[in-house]
Amino acid sequence: DAKTTQPTSMDCAEGRAANLPCNHSTISGNEYVYWYRQIHSQGPQYIIHGLKNNETNEMASLIITEDRKSSTLILPHATLRDTAVYYCIVRGSLYSSASKIIFGSGTRLSIRP
Amino acid sequence: GAGVSQSPSNKVTEKGKDVELRCDPISGHTALYWYRQSLGQGLEFLIYFQGNSAPDKSGLPSDRFSAERTGGSVSTLTIQRTQQEDSAVYLCASSTDRGRSGYTFGSGTRLTVV
Repeated sequence: DAKTTQPTSMDCAEGRAANLPCNHSTISGNEYVYWYRQIHSQGPQYIIHGLKNNETNEMASLIITEDRKSSTLILPHATLRDTAVYYCIVRGSLYSSASKIIFGSGTRLSIRP
Repeated sequence: GAGVSQSPSNKVTEKGKDVELRCDPISGHTALYWYRQSLGQGLEFLIYFQGNSAPDKSGLPSDRFSAERTGGSVSTLTIQRTQQEDSAVYLCASSTDRGRSGYTFGSGTRLTVV
């Protein structure tokens, strides 16, 4: 699986959009980009995933660059409850046997009032 | 059930004792994963079960660790002769098929070895 690089920490004002970047320059054509977050003392929570098109759901939007070497997770209106560690993961082909997710260090996002 | 259930939520054990941690995945989820997270650290993959395939045990840190999944549902992670460095939160996750829609994690078991 391709390696990802994320900033160690970020902060954002409550009510503003939080934009979390992720670099995955060695991503291969059949690898997906996944985002999870982990709120303190809880298990990780799936947020969103995509291959090459931008994706949006009730939690967030995922913007993947045309060359797929980087992506941005957007939380459109951050709240204090969005304070968490956000993990960007590039995952091997969904049809391969190697489908476990390996978590990196993530970005610690702090939302300030 | 509605989510992944893990038990116990907290476990304190003496060094050298064996412990069993239980995971009840979401009904119908064919894939089950175990991770652990030491204090202030990231998530470490331990083992992965997918249907009737042989489990991927590549993350188990030593032969004191083992896991089984009975009937394709409930899983038990066993740690023999526990050591203080085994203290961590042990997280279980399940997913449909190969997890293309993401994993659902339980709340974990906090293991403390004294």
